[in-house]
Amino acid sequence: DTGVSQDPRHKITKRGQNVTFRCDPISEHNRLYWYRQTLGQGPEFLTYFQNEAQLEKSRLLSDRFSAERPKGSFSTLEIQRTEQGDSAMYLCASDNAGTAYNEQFFGPGTRLTVL
Amino acid sequence: AQKVTQAQTEISVVEKEDVTLDCVYETRDTTYYLFWYKQPPSGELVFLIRRNSFDEQNEISGRYSWNFQKSTSSFNFTITASQVVDSAVYFCALSEAPPDGNKLVFGAGTILRVKS
Repeated sequence: DTGVSQDPRHKITKRGQNVTFRCDPISEHNRLYWYRQTLGQGPEFLTYFQNEAQLEKSRLLSDRFSAERPKGSFSTLEIQRTEQGDSAMYLCASDNAGTAYNEQFFGPGTRLTVL
Repeated sequence: AQKVTQAQTEISVVEKEDVTLDCVYETRDTTYYLFWYKQPPSGELVFLIRRNSFDEQNEISGRYSWNFQKSTSSFNFTITASQVVDSAVYFCALSEAPPDGNKLVFGAGTILRVKS
């Protein structure tokens, strides 16, 4: 399977702990996105990378959140000092930059539960 | 600011009925893209269709059809002869034109339940 993969699929943590999620995009895609989806809502944009450069961050991405894409391939999203409000599905998507619109392919998501 | 509104929170139909999912959008851009995604119980978002703002032709793909009307800022999705496998959450989304803007702004989604 050459789709977008995310690890872990589920994470349960206690409030105050740090968590890190990983996303592996489709190999030929140079752009990678993170979204957050809470129950009953649509996904909300968090941040995106083109190659290793982080080009945009949403106001939703507080100082406790940090994302990296060190070699322009996989990406990590870290949440420090987790809060119950961080409980959500974290989705990763990838596509190719260009002048024509290219569809974003989504991964299966990481469901985070903060107790 | 961009915004997508899906006023129907949940729709229930009986198999073989036709169903239309509404989507209304707001944007100041003259060039933009509209999408529909399906999210089955497994959770993974599945791309269904993309439309750019200059193409108002309606599209049909099998049992699916889309009606794009710029005059009313709507991009509605119709499933003809619904099936149980169509049960899912459907999201309408909006994006600015590339290459600068590519993030998706999603609506809250419509839960579709198709009963046999």
